[in-house]
This record gives sequence, C-alpha cells and structure tokens, in this order.
Amino acid sequence: DTAVSQTPKYLVTQMGNDKSIKCEQNLGHDTMYWYKQDSKKFLKIMFSYNNKELIINETVPNRFSPKSPDKAHLNLHINSLELGDSAVYFCASSPRTGEETQYFGPGTRLLVL
Amino acid sequence: SQQGEEDPQALSIQEGENATMNCSYKTSINNLQWYRQNSGRGLVHLILIRSNEREKHSGRLRVTLDTSKKSSSLLITASRAADTASYFCATEGGAQKLVFGQGTRLTINP
Repeated sequence: DTAVSQTPKYLVTQMGNDKSIKCEQNLGHDTMYWYKQDSKKFLKIMFSYNNKELIINETVPNRFSPKSPDKAHLNLHINSLELGDSAVYFCASSPRTGEETQYFGPGTRLLVL
Repeated sequence: SQQGEEDPQALSIQEGENATMNCSYKTSINNLQWYRQNSGRGLVHLILIRSNEREKHSGRLRVTLDTSKKSSSLLITASRAADTASYFCATEGGAQKLVFGQGTRLTINP
C-alpha cells in the first residue's frame, strides 16, 4: 500500500540507450510531478501533469518525454541517454496543482555509463 | 533559478540539542514548506506555513516565516539520532510549482 511508487529503483545503462521510469500513485491525487536531484542534492522540477494534462514543462531537453496514461500514472521516457542524465529522479503527487503538500516516491537512481 | 537557499549547508550536533536551519528566498510566495530526506529515500513533508502566518508548530518542529526578510527557520527541539537527514525548504509563488533549496544536511551524534 505504498502511496507513490516508482520502478525501477536502480537503473544502470549505457550512453545512447533509451529508458523509461514508471510512477504510480494510489492517493487519488490529480497532479503528478517529475523532479531531478543531482549529485549536489539540488532538486529541480522537470514536469507536472494535472489530470493527464501537461501543465509545467521546465527547460528540459526534448529527449525527456513524460506520458500520463491516466491521472494515477506518470511515466518518463528518456531517449539517447547522456552522462549528464545520471541523477536520482523523483516522482511526486499532490491533491491539486499549486500550494499543496507533495508526496514523493522513493526515487529512481539512474547511472549512465 | 534556485529560489530557496538553506543555511547552514551542514550541521552536526549532539543528541538532545536543538537544531536550527534557515532558508532564504528571493520572490514573493504563497507558502513555504519544509521537507526531510533520509539518505537514499524520497522527501517527506514536514510542515507548511502560509504567507500570512508567522509561526507554526508540529510536535518537536517549530517553523517561523518572516516575509519582510524573505526568510524562514526550522527548529527541531530535543534532537534524536533519527532526525539525521537532509532538510529542504520549498517555496510556492503562484507558478503552480514548488522550488526547492539545496538543503541542510543534519547529523545528530549519539
């Protein structure tokens, strides 16, 4: 009964590969987010979706493509992985967009070799 | 650009002591939130303080907000080993997103 879950937990891959990370929340929230946390622990928002609709798209390379098949799922596909993509990617959800508490998943540790 | 900046970047204290962390931000906000991140885990929400509030308590946590100075502080009283974690402030300023600082790494020594 995990609230926000992500798969996989660890991902090690070669440069140039394409990979996907999946996120699911069972909290009934309308809004979901993807964040990237770099090696210095700096956490930056990448995307947010509200009820399957993209509402925030920060300055992220278009190699990153989010997909929300329904409001409980938000996946992140990354094409042509680069060394600089190595980071921890967190999914989060909140009841509504904006000034609400966010609930985070456990993170996916991506290492690009 | 980064909105919140925590100070200090790292803090090490003895168990039982109080820990104070500060956060400064640059633009006007609707609310400010504090999160905790244990090593290798996701962030956990601790407390939210709205722009019209000055102080808020939750258990051993006390948060203050000074909008004139664009700063907030998080006080953890009677610290425990389990409080060892990184603490982040995050601001919401009407752009429908939270902007996080870089965190304070707190170590509680037994």
